[in-house]
Amino acid sequence: GNSVTQMEGPVTLSEEAFLTINCTYTATGYPSLFWYVQYPGEGLQLLLKATKADDKGSNKGFEATYRKETTSFHLEKGSVQVSDSAVYFCALFTGGGNKLTFGTGTQLKVEL
Amino acid sequence: GAVVSQHPSWVICKSGTSVKIECRSLDFQATTMFWYRQFPKQSLMLMATSNEGSKATYEQGVEKDKFLINHASLTLSTLTVTSAHPEDSSFYICSAKSSSGLAGVFGPGTRLTVT
Repeated sequence: GNSVTQMEGPVTLSEEAFLTINCTYTATGYPSLFWYVQYPGEGLQLLLKATKADDKGSNKGFEATYRKETTSFHLEKGSVQVSDSAVYFCALFTGGGNKLTFGTGTQLKVEL
Repeated sequence: GAVVSQHPSWVICKSGTSVKIECRSLDFQATTMFWYRQFPKQSLMLMATSNEGSKATYEQGVEKDKFLINHASLTLSTLTVTSAHPEDSSFYICSAKSSSGLAGVFGPGTRLTVT
């Protein structure tokens, strides 16, 4: 079956630090990959996505590259801000299953 | 862009009562809607998938008689928690997908507290 593994949090960084949140996956077929962000008390917002190998998704300074050879989709940002503090979920979608499979989420805390 | 709303955003009810949560796609037709449950500091657990006009498909371990899902139109799905108990207290999130959409748009969530 499909599964997504994320690094455990919380991840605590100083403002302007470099961020990496690791995500690896196991899937049958050719999944699409997503990063979602959840701010406290809110639902999920799509942050970025990639639908095929070697695609790079990017948004708001975040980016992730779909690496089929390593089955990874690591999230990166060059300089985090306090406003980036949230929980980040990696997810995959396969058309056959018609549903998203989520990782456990990684909490990011950015301090001044 | 595509928007999904949920109502109410939070609700407190007494044990034994039923609560209905609405999920609406505001600017697209949602052929499929998903209902998730999220416990504090945990990931989303898919409860069920509903296609417009069809019975919902429940995930293993989810009580279909307790969590009633109705997807009567292409823009509205409802989740009714029947005979709620304190252990049903949780954050419920819906997601809606059009026939051409990839993975769905999420609603803002509904916080249910059962006292």
